[in-house]
Amino acid sequence: DQQVKQNSPSLSVQEGRISILNCDYTNSMFDYFLWYKKYPAEGPTFLISISSIKDKNEDGRFTVFLNKSAKHLSLHIVPSQPGDSAVYFCAPWEDNLFFGTGTRLTVIP
Amino acid sequence: DTAVSQTPKYLVTQMGNDKSIKCEQNLGHDTMYWYKQDSKKFLKIMFSYNNKELIINETVPNRFSPKSPDKAHLNLHINSLELGDSAVYFCASSQVRVGGRADTQYFGPGTRLTVL
Repeated sequence: DQQVKQNSPSLSVQEGRISILNCDYTNSMFDYFLWYKKYPAEGPTFLISISSIKDKNEDGRFTVFLNKSAKHLSLHIVPSQPGDSAVYFCAPWEDNLFFGTGTRLTVIP
Repeated sequence: DTAVSQTPKYLVTQMGNDKSIKCEQNLGHDTMYWYKQDSKKFLKIMFSYNNKELIINETVPNRFSPKSPDKAHLNLHINSLELGDSAVYFCASSQVRVGGRADTQYFGPGTRLTVL
């Protein structure tokens, strides 16, 4: 039973445009949400996080939005760059990290 | 300077064998983890461990056992390997959680295990 779903397995965006990656979860006990980025043949690396007491957290080109009532969060990358091409995992926290299945982002130059 | 390292990167072995994957972190973290990423790309926690407690995901077969010779190492031993154990295994580390808050976990590069 997958508690975290990233329904778009892949996303292609032109360089300079906005990338929006979505994540839905079912467990209302999650109170901290992390996004990880993964390149091929490497482990996931932490990107950005948000606490459940906030609805937005921004770090440079990356912004995460949280809608607790809808149990939905999204990661916005703007402007997108070719180096952003990777798999992005949503990972809520409750005692442990629960990873989504990931969305493969391809930024086209 | 690799923060979290794993060896080997690739491991191919026969069913029924016993194998180990090593993990080392040089971040001074107190907590280490093992994750399994299966063929469907689900990345699931197997164990979390610090010098005080080992927390095991109840779905993990007891053929899997973590061994920690010291704070910087958490090795994964797998006995009687089965075909379904084929996956990528990731080690990670983080600081001791304070007040239950999640701390950023730093991941190793992964070990791709193939059981024939």
